Amino acid sequence: NAGVTQTPKFQVLKTGQSMTLQCAQDMNHEYMSWYRQDPGMGLRLIHYSVGAGITDQGEVPNGYNVSRSTTEDFPLRLLSAAPSQTSVYFCASSMTADQPQHFGDGTRLSIL
Amino acid sequence: GENVEQHPSTLSVQEGDSAVIKCTYSDSASNYFPWYKQELGKRPQLIIDIRSNVGEKKDQRIAVTLNKTAKHFSLHITETQPEDSAVYFCAVDSSYKLIFGSGTRLLVRP
Repeated sequence: NAGVTQTPKFQVLKTGQSMTLQCAQDMNHEYMSWYRQDPGMGLRLIHYSVGAGITDQGEVPNGYNVSRSTTEDFPLRLLSAAPSQTSVYFCASSMTADQPQHFGDGTRLSIL
Repeated sequence: GENVEQHPSTLSVQEGDSAVIKCTYSDSASNYFPWYKQELGKRPQLIIDIRSNVGEKKDQRIAVTLNKTAKHFSLHITETQPEDSAVYFCAVDSSYKLIFGSGTRLLVRP
């Protein structure tokens, strides 16, 4: 039982490049979410999903896309990376939003 | 949308003293109020949570109190130890989303 697995752990991109951050969970959780963490700003919700085939926007969705084709996977896509998207990204899962969240180890993303 | 405010942003206490962190929220329909601890370079981890049908919950040296009428809740850590040094986040559920406060950096001085 691996919990929530995020890949990669570190990534450096150039402005304008695209990439996908991967998130997978093996706990059969329906609810999955993506957060970004910036100094002094806590964890801000990017997108979330209440089940396969259902996604919705969080607090800071601009510049990011998500999809949820399976219960296990919830990838986050940066369409055209910008320096303002330099951050640490956390994926989390639980049965519902009002249950304890299980976080992955995070992806540290730098955009030059 | 939901607005969660957390205070203070930094807190320094002497080992053995108590620490209190407060959060306020705006959505009166919120019913779930967790607290997470994040050590440097690590993932956030749940330390305690409370639901709106309970006013207080304790787990050893940690307690959370909730005032739903006033829309605020607090984390209390007693007999602080150096290993309590970390960043603490409150969170609130709102319309299928979990919204976090901006965090409190707690430093426990030996």
